[in-house]
Amino acid sequence: DVKVTQSSRYLVKRTGEKVFLECVQDMDHENMFWYRQDPGLGLRLIYFSYDVKMKEKGDIPEGYSVSREKKERFSLILESASTNQTSMYLCASSPGQGGSEKLFFGSGTQLSVL
Amino acid sequence: AQSVAQPEDQVNVAEGNPLTVKCTYSVSGNPYLFWYVQYPNRGLQFLLKYITGDNLVKGSYGFEAEFNKSQTSFHLKKPSALVSDSALYFCAVRDISSGSARQLTFGSGTQLTVLP
Repeated sequence: DVKVTQSSRYLVKRTGEKVFLECVQDMDHENMFWYRQDPGLGLRLIYFSYDVKMKEKGDIPEGYSVSREKKERFSLILESASTNQTSMYLCASSPGQGGSEKLFFGSGTQLSVL
Repeated sequence: AQSVAQPEDQVNVAEGNPLTVKCTYSVSGNPYLFWYVQYPNRGLQFLLKYITGDNLVKGSYGFEAEFNKSQTSFHLKKPSALVSDSALYFCAVRDISSGSARQLTFGSGTQLTVLP
């Protein structure tokens, strides 16, 4: 079965710190995604990537950047963490290009910015 | 632009009764529709999807959903609820006619509680 692994389950950072969230998938999927999940708002797409070194902005990219140097790894970077970035961050991957494929999710990283 | 609405934040149902979790969508073209479930302290899991064909799709754990194009709805149903079905449910849509067919948009989620 597909495994999507997020490096940390819980993370506490201070305002202004640079934060890296790492995600690795083991099924050679082309597409990888970063969402944040907030109560009452559901999941909102931050960035996604459909190939190595390729990235596209999602609905809420402000304050975030991403890196995909290898196919299996997709990193989310908070350049200067702020308290409004306290959230659950979910990484996902999917195969193919047609759009009918399901997403496989990691367990999530609960980030608290103090 | 694509969007999804889940009009109910919370649904309560007695064990053994049928359950429905509502979802409506908006796309400019044709949709791919999905339901995901999130159990406490776990990641999201895929339940079922509608791509084309039969409007009634069956998925995991006895769930099914009906695609209704005229009402732009994709409600999740189960004939007999279990306490173990208590979880957070998300509806999601892709507009396959858009330039970014990989982008999946989620609803705000519905907390289902099945009472013993």
